[in-house]
Amino acid sequence: QSVLTQPPSASGTPGQRVTIFCSGSSSNIGSNTVSWYQQLPGTAPKLLIYSDNQRPSGVPDRFSGSKSGTSASLAISGLQSEDEADYSCAAWDDSLNGPVFGGGTKLTVL
Amino acid sequence: QVQLVQSGAEVKKPGSSVKVSCKASGGTFSTYTISWVRQAPGQGLEWMGRIIPILDTANYAQKFQDRVTIIADKSTSTVYMELSTLRSEDTAVYYCAREYEGVVFGVVTNWFDPWGQGTLVTVSS
Repeated sequence: QSVLTQPPSASGTPGQRVTIFCSGSSSNIGSNTVSWYQQLPGTAPKLLIYSDNQRPSGVPDRFSGSKSGTSASLAISGLQSEDEADYSCAAWDDSLNGPVFGGGTKLTVL
Repeated sequence: QVQLVQSGAEVKKPGSSVKVSCKASGGTFSTYTISWVRQAPGQGLEWMGRIIPILDTANYAQKFQDRVTIIADKSTSTVYMELSTLRSEDTAVYYCAREYEGVVFGVVTNWFDPWGQGTLVTVSS
């Protein structure tokens, strides 16, 4: 069981906007920043968002992150077929004194 | 641009140990923090521990504290993760990743970038 909670699946059609949610607690998301990772099938995770809402260079602005209280979300606008992947959230946990992850959300582009 | 290249897949017997390497290139190795994260089949990512080579200091997740050792060889810019007393539940892909961490007004900001390509460790009798 992952410390952060994500829905196992999400879906959307090309061009649509999809939002993936990540729920935590006061010891992780409620206190610290969130990062998001994209994992294409059979590949290593790739950083999409850090510090709640910052995009590394090279990440399209179709991807955006936000946070409110003990929950965070990743929004993908203008959905494309190549966005079909697993998306995971992460944050530092003060109680565990280490980073924790969500279980991942598999995004299907219909 | 930091790149991390890991050693190849391993098949191990229950009760044995496995040692996975992660060779870094680009940047200043000794100043990185390198973490190990694993992903069991169909499961989420799980942080195992980290090392800061310049300090030769390693921290481990409580779950793995008794079984994992992470060391750094500054002469070859390589980090090693050894997991002992393997069981079938340790079958997973093991990733190394550069970890960024900072604390501003008590808020920890922490992320992983880049990641190694992953090493599949299969534990089977």
